[in-house]
Formats: sequence, structure tokens, C-alpha cells
Amino acid sequence: EAGVAQSPRYKIIEKRQSVAFWCNPISGHATLYWYQQILGQGPKLLIQFQNNGVVDDSQLPKDRFSAERLKGVDSTLKIQPAKLEDSAVYLCASSLGTDGSYNEQFFGPGTRLTVL
Amino acid sequence: AQSVTQPDIHITVSEGASLELRCNYSYGATPYLFWYVQSPGQGLQLLLKYFSGDTLVQGIKGFEAEFKRSQSSFNLRKPSVHWSDAAEYFCAARSYNTDKLIFGTGTRLQVFP
Repeated sequence: EAGVAQSPRYKIIEKRQSVAFWCNPISGHATLYWYQQILGQGPKLLIQFQNNGVVDDSQLPKDRFSAERLKGVDSTLKIQPAKLEDSAVYLCASSLGTDGSYNEQFFGPGTRLTVL
Repeated sequence: AQSVTQPDIHITVSEGASLELRCNYSYGATPYLFWYVQSPGQGLQLLLKYFSGDTLVQGIKGFEAEFKRSQSSFNLRKPSVHWSDAAEYFCAARSYNTDKLIFGTGTRLQVFP
């Protein structure tokens, strides 16, 4: 079974530029998550999708971050414009999303973003 | 506020020695508890989880964890560490009615031959 795919793996940009990350979840997984992991910290949930609807985006900085999951499969996370403090690893995860059951989250390898 | 604390930022052990990584949580009710491992350049891999029942949980790669309600702790243990166990370990928790995981800050494990 293929895992969660993310691209690019690394990205270096200058502040005020824009950047986009792509995530392809495990086939059949209804729920998709984006996490931000700053160096020295644990991952923090940015946004959770159930199919193509947003379940939780309470910690997404909406003035500069946006995410979409068209057709309930792939997802993109965009930052515009980037700030220095956005330097982090962006992790995508997916789960089956079945109601009433434990939904193990499977993580992709992440995209390491460096903002100069 | 809900939180997960890992008091040890960095631990160094010799290969073959025993290991215990500490995790404490602060939640209104007992949450579901997890341990993940992250190797360099890799995503997070689930080692084990606790929902209810037996407080000693067995996981993959020879790891186990013990839930102690009185101490709000969920410490990870391994009787004999291998060099390949060197990685970062994250404790996480979630409430029963949400998928939202809250992670600790992680413990970096270094293993000396």
C-alpha cells in the first residue's frame, strides 16, 4: 500500500514570496490533515479536511495560509506572503475517517520550508 | 488548556541499555494517548496507542508504554536499545470526540555503541 506522498521535499524561498505544497493521501482515506512542525517543537495541526470539507482550521493563519482539497483527494497548502517564522516542516497526514472508530493518522515525509 | 509535556529534550543511552522516555498530559478527561517516532527525513510512525483497559501497552519495535492515571503520565520504555532506535520521539494525545492530536515537544534519543 502506497503511503502519503508530499512534494516538494525541500523548498527555499525569500520572505514575501509565495509557496505551495502538495499532498496525495493514502487511497480511500477520507480525512486529510496538514501540520506545521517548527524546529524543536511538536507538530501543530493547521487544518483538517473530511473529504473536501474543512473540519478544523482554527490554528491556520488565514491572512497568509490557505488550503484546499478539491474532489476530496489531493490537497494543496499555500503560503502568501511567507514570513521568516514560517520556516518549518509541513507534514501531511491522512486517515480513513470512519465515524465512531479510531482513525490512525498516517504521515507523509514532510516538506521542509526555509524562508530567508 | 489541553497540553502534552515531554520534560526531556535530549537523552543519550548506550546500546543495550534500557530506556524510559517521559510524557505527561493535562486534559479535562483521560485522553487517548500515543507515541510516535520520527527518523531524520521521515514522517511520523505510530509506535503504540492507549485508549482504555490494560494500562501496559505493547507496541512495535519492542517498545511498551505504561499509563498511570494518578500521575497523568504515559511513559515509553524499551528494555534494550538498538542503535537503530536513535530518532525523535513524540508523545501525543487527543480527546475521544475529536481526531485532533496534540503533540509534546519531542525527545531526541541518541544511542552510543
